[in-house]
Amino acid sequence: GAVVSQHPSRVICKSGTSVKIECRSLDFQATTMFWYRQFPKKSLMLMATSNEGSKATYEQGVEKDKFLINHASLTLSTLTVTSAHPEDSSFYICSASPTQFGYTFGSGTRLTVV
Amino acid sequence: GQQLNQSPQSMFIQEGEDVSMNCTSSSIFNTWLWYKQDPGEGPVLLIALYKAGELTSNGRLTAQFGITRKDSFLNISASIPSDVGIYFCAGQLVGNEKLTFGTGTRLTIIP
Repeated sequence: GAVVSQHPSRVICKSGTSVKIECRSLDFQATTMFWYRQFPKKSLMLMATSNEGSKATYEQGVEKDKFLINHASLTLSTLTVTSAHPEDSSFYICSASPTQFGYTFGSGTRLTVV
Repeated sequence: GQQLNQSPQSMFIQEGEDVSMNCTSSSIFNTWLWYKQDPGEGPVLLIALYKAGELTSNGRLTAQFGITRKDSFLNISASIPSDVGIYFCAGQLVGNEKLTFGTGTRLTIIP
């Protein structure tokens, strides 16, 4: 139980285009999901908290207009990287929790902007 | 954002050796979590600790929640090749769903 599915696992896009990443909780409902960014050999940095039915909460320094988050249902949150540039290339990971404790992570999305 | 300090940053050990790593914070946390991340994958939860002083095992893994609530350690006994990866600690405060991650410990097993 407590599976979080992330799609796609890898995506290559041209500079200036937008990319959407999906995060689904498969066997539980998640009113809150989290989006992280991870650079090579670095730790996970929280980008934003995705709240079902309301606006996402962004961490300091994260551009909300660049990283659009939509949490339209209790099982799906999406992260759209708008007008992507090479510096947006990174590993993006989502997470959700079926209970008060313990978070399950998706398998991540490797974004490469060329 | 804030990060927890993990040490060592990397470890090179031989198969069969025991491993010990720790995580320290300037802040108090109410929950400590230990995750393992394989290349190109998301972190997988290994052990969760909810009480100061708590010692919890999961197979060959043992973790403890420091009594000051500002630190935690993870031990791996009799390491095997599949233990290779990056280990992250994470702290969580009561009433705050956010996790703060450690800087990570990269474990490599030397043949």
